[in-house]
Amino acid sequence: DVKVTQSSRYLVKRTGEKVFLECVQDMDHENMFWYRQDPGLGLRLIYFSYDVKMKEKGDIPEGYSVSREKKERFSLILESASTNQTSMYLCASSPNRGAFFGQGTRLTVV
Amino acid sequence: DAKTTQPTSMDCAEGRAANLPCNHSTISGNEYVYWYRQIHSQGPQYIIHGLKNNETNEMASLIITEDRKSSTLILPHATLRDTAVYYCIVRDMKTSYDKVIFGPGTSLSVIP
Repeated sequence: DVKVTQSSRYLVKRTGEKVFLECVQDMDHENMFWYRQDPGLGLRLIYFSYDVKMKEKGDIPEGYSVSREKKERFSLILESASTNQTSMYLCASSPNRGAFFGQGTRLTVV
Repeated sequence: DAKTTQPTSMDCAEGRAANLPCNHSTISGNEYVYWYRQIHSQGPQYIIHGLKNNETNEMASLIITEDRKSSTLILPHATLRDTAVYYCIVRDMKTSYDKVIFGPGTSLSVIP
């Protein structure tokens, strides 16, 4: 089975901290995605990557950056965490069959 | 922006078929229809996808209209565990440059 693994299920960080959210997939997929999910707003695309070192902005990239140095790993970076970045973050990877999601990281910024 | 529209919520009696509609009137020839569902506190789960023919797997059936402007996901015998948010999206599978945008989905409640 395809596995998409996010490094943490729950995370609490302080305002202003640099935060790294890691995502690893084991199926050699080219496309990887980072979303955030908030009540009433659904899944919103932050960034996606269609190849190593390639990245594209999604709908809400402000305050975030990403890194894809290896095909299996896609990192989401919050350069200076703020309270409005408290959210559920979901990583996905995608072959042609369909996107496979990790279990999510619930990030709380205090 | 999402290219699909779905009802915000639906109810279904346990054991009955759940029919979830989706409109995708601007779908292009290269775009597939995909369905996912998300059970509370979990990541979305792939259900099924199709291009123009009806599809069936162990989880559901997908009926796509002939003009491809709408589709229906059918859960033939809904159980309480099918209570979830269901997302319908369209994806262009001819390109690797594919954003995968989700709309708000349909919240399905299966009632005992």
